[in-house]
Amino acid sequence: SYGLTQSPSVSVSPGQTASITCSGDKLGDKFVSWFQHTPGQSPVLVIYQDNRRPSGIPERFSGSTSGNTATLTISGTQAFDEADYYCLAWDSSTPYVFGPGTKVSVL
Amino acid sequence: EAQLVESGGGLVQPGGSLRLTCAGTRFSSILYWMSWVRQAPGKGLEWVANIKQDGSEKYYAASVWGRFTMSRDNANNLMYLQMNSLRVEDTAVYYCAREGQESSTNFFYAMDVWGQGTTVTVSS
Repeated sequence: SYGLTQSPSVSVSPGQTASITCSGDKLGDKFVSWFQHTPGQSPVLVIYQDNRRPSGIPERFSGSTSGNTATLTISGTQAFDEADYYCLAWDSSTPYVFGPGTKVSVL
Repeated sequence: EAQLVESGGGLVQPGGSLRLTCAGTRFSSILYWMSWVRQAPGKGLEWVANIKQDGSEKYYAASVWGRFTMSRDNANNLMYLQMNSLRVEDTAVYYCAREGQESSTNFFYAMDVWGQGTTVTVSS
């Protein structure tokens, strides 16, 4: 079965840039999205179709893909950005697969 | 603003059944693919199943295939997840989610609206 890899955790200082990566075989051939999930709340979509932002998501969130790796970048990270971030891959052969998640800590 | 509300979670013994319901408001669910996603205690998100707008296509994760069935009632903006032969490892918070789209032919391939979740506990 298809699998995705994410670093378990990322630490960033307030105001700095956090980069979260997601890797998988031929990931560049799939649609990648990213979710922010704070414990006790529902997940929030922050990036879809690799690099598109839903309405209401700040420009600080951006996405990119290159080869087998997708990256979510959070610029000017704030304390309230602290959360778990999950990548999600889709293609017609393996409908949806989530990555294991990355815990972002703002220190 | 579109909203989703899940119900039907609870405690069930291994081998038992449960049906989850998801009610959509402030949008017409007939226009959207819908998904169920779960999160087991201490674990990450796991996609469970989805269903096409008219119910003609359904897809399932390998972990639930043959045990779970997703359906929908578009007239009442309702979605269901029938869960049979439940296992301890099915214990999780189950979220109903709408799959976003920019138009009828341009899909997000991601979930843009989520419910608050309903908890399913499988234990003897």
